[in-house]
Amino acid sequence: TQLLEQSPQFLSIQEGENLTVYCNSSSVFSSLQWYRQEPGEGPVLLVTVVTGGEVKKLKRLTFQFGDARKDSSLHITAAQPGDTGLYLCAGAALSASKIIFGSGTRLSIRP
Amino acid sequence: DAGITQSPRHKVTETGTPVTLRCHQTENHRYMYWYRQDPGHGLRLIHYSYGVKDTDKGEVSDGYSVSRSKTEDFLLTLESATSSQTSVYFCAIKSLAGGADTQYFGPGTRLTVL
Repeated sequence: TQLLEQSPQFLSIQEGENLTVYCNSSSVFSSLQWYRQEPGEGPVLLVTVVTGGEVKKLKRLTFQFGDARKDSSLHITAAQPGDTGLYLCAGAALSASKIIFGSGTRLSIRP
Repeated sequence: DAGITQSPRHKVTETGTPVTLRCHQTENHRYMYWYRQDPGHGLRLIHYSYGVKDTDKGEVSDGYSVSRSKTEDFLLTLESATSSQTSVYFCAIKSLAGGADTQYFGPGTRLTVL
């Protein structure tokens, strides 16, 4: 069974600080997605990474896919209250039509 | 926006009653999924469909059935609801984005079983 472990589960930091969220697995994925979810809404796709070692930037968010395509990280620079939410990573299995989700990181940014 | 709607958005029902949740998409996607989301468990796959009348089980399929009689609609049925099925249910479709299969989600249905 493929598993994706996210850490930390909860993170509360001050506005302006930097943070990193990790997504790790012992399995190889063909791609990995990061989503953000706000209360009462469905997850919204932030980014998809496909190539081992790939780095993508979305304004203050930097996403990296591990060289072996087993792990990923999300780094937020100068966090803002609008970054608050549940961040989910999801990996697409190599041969299946399913996507495996991590349990999420709940991020709270204090003004 | 992947053109996904879910109905109802909220439902309260009693133990033992049947419940059907509907997912509707407007963009002719082949793959559709039903997930449930519970604190501490993230999103768990219930069932998915890879075409009209083609469905398969996910990791938490017990107590649920699905049907897909046309491309745009994917129905999730709880034949006899239990309190353990109180959850938020999300429908998703699969689409190609950034060179990879990616899922896009509906707004969710909050189901409470009393």
